[in-house]
Amino acid sequence: AQRVTQPEKLLSVFKGAPVELKCNYSYSGSPELFWYVQYSRQRLQLLLRHISRESIKGFTADLNKGETSFHLKKPFAQEEDSAMYYCARFSGAGSYQLTFGKGTKLSVIP
Amino acid sequence: DAGVTQSPTHLIKTRGQQVTLRCSPKSGHDTVSWYQQALGQGPQFIFQYYEEEERQRGNFPDRFSGHQFPNYSSELNVNALLLGDSALYLCASSFGTGGPTEQFFGPGTRLTVL
Repeated sequence: AQRVTQPEKLLSVFKGAPVELKCNYSYSGSPELFWYVQYSRQRLQLLLRHISRESIKGFTADLNKGETSFHLKKPFAQEEDSAMYYCARFSGAGSYQLTFGKGTKLSVIP
Repeated sequence: DAGVTQSPTHLIKTRGQQVTLRCSPKSGHDTVSWYQQALGQGPQFIFQYYEEEERQRGNFPDRFSGHQFPNYSSELNVNALLLGDSALYLCASSFGTGGPTEQFFGPGTRLTVL
């Protein structure tokens, strides 16, 4: 079964400090990976996807196939980054489901 | 465009009852996926509907069923409710034949089973 692991349930950082949210996935061919974010009292929304290689709100994520990781990074945390972050993978050809990790709550301390 | 809408917002049922949740996709979308999110967990895929048919199903029992209407809206039905069915039920819509296109999520329906 496809698995997505986010080892940290909660991550607290000070404003201006670097942020790294970890995500590991079970190996299977060429995964399509995403980061979703849920701000307080808002719905789940896509933050970024590895295939587009974009930087959204200062966040980046690099797919490392050797380590089967897709960690989310930002050099300088802002208070508005406080939210719940979910790593997800699309199972690929012939499959249409997204598999999510359990999520990491990021708290940025002013 | 209001985006993906879901109704009702909250629902309380008792064990053994049946429930129907509703979802209207984002304008222009033709695919609807349903997820169950238990407390402290990530969303878990239930099934996806495309062209009024269930295209793929996750690891959920037959008590969970669905339907998609010609206008692309969808219903999720759960029979013989169990306490463990208490969760946030999310609907997500997307466009196309199911490749890795962005899924847009609704606000969810909070189901409590007593």
